[in-house]
Amino acid sequence: AQSVAQPEDQVNVAEGNPLTVKCTYSVSGNPYLFWYVQYPNRGLQFLLKYITGDNLVKGSYGFEAEFNKSQTSFHLKKPSALVSDSALYFCAVRDDTGAGSYQLTFGKGTKLSVIP
Amino acid sequence: NAGVTQTPKFQVLKTGQSMTLQCAQDMNHEYMSWYRQDPGMGLRLIHYSVGAGITDQGEVPNGYNVSRSTTEDFPLRLLSAAPSQTSVYFCASSYSQTRNQPQHFGDGTRLSIL
Repeated sequence: AQSVAQPEDQVNVAEGNPLTVKCTYSVSGNPYLFWYVQYPNRGLQFLLKYITGDNLVKGSYGFEAEFNKSQTSFHLKKPSALVSDSALYFCAVRDDTGAGSYQLTFGKGTKLSVIP
Repeated sequence: NAGVTQTPKFQVLKTGQSMTLQCAQDMNHEYMSWYRQDPGMGLRLIHYSVGAGITDQGEVPNGYNVSRSTTEDFPLRLLSAAPSQTSVYFCASSYSQTRNQPQHFGDGTRLSIL
């Protein structure tokens, strides 16, 4: 079975500092990995994805994520945090073998608070 | 394009009542799904559809029914509401079930069962 872990329920960072939101995964085959962001009272918005190729993936709003196969991780990063980045962040994974019927499995979410 | 539209945005029901949560998309997406979001539990898949006339169960299907008579619409029915179904419900769609397609989400229906 596929699974995702986001070990931190909340991350606090000062405005202008770099931020990292952690994600680890478990799949049978090769992973397809996604990050989504959710602002209050809104649906999830796609940020970026890793399918294959370069381990550093760039996405929307200056975010990037680093895929590390040996550590089964896909951490979300941004060099300089903005107050407007404060939101709930979800990591999600699909297995390329079809073991999960190609359905997305989401982590429990990490609340990011950027302090002015 | 409106994207994914969910109605209603808020609803309060009494235990035992039934209701239908509406979801419509105008992007000609084949794949549609319903999730529920509960605090500390992330999103859990209820039902999904890979095209008109085809539906399947997700992780937490009990107490819910779906149908897909058109490409655009994917309603979720609560048969007999229970307090455990108090949650925020999200509908999502993507072009296909292809593994690398990101999903587009509606803004949710916040449902309270008394």
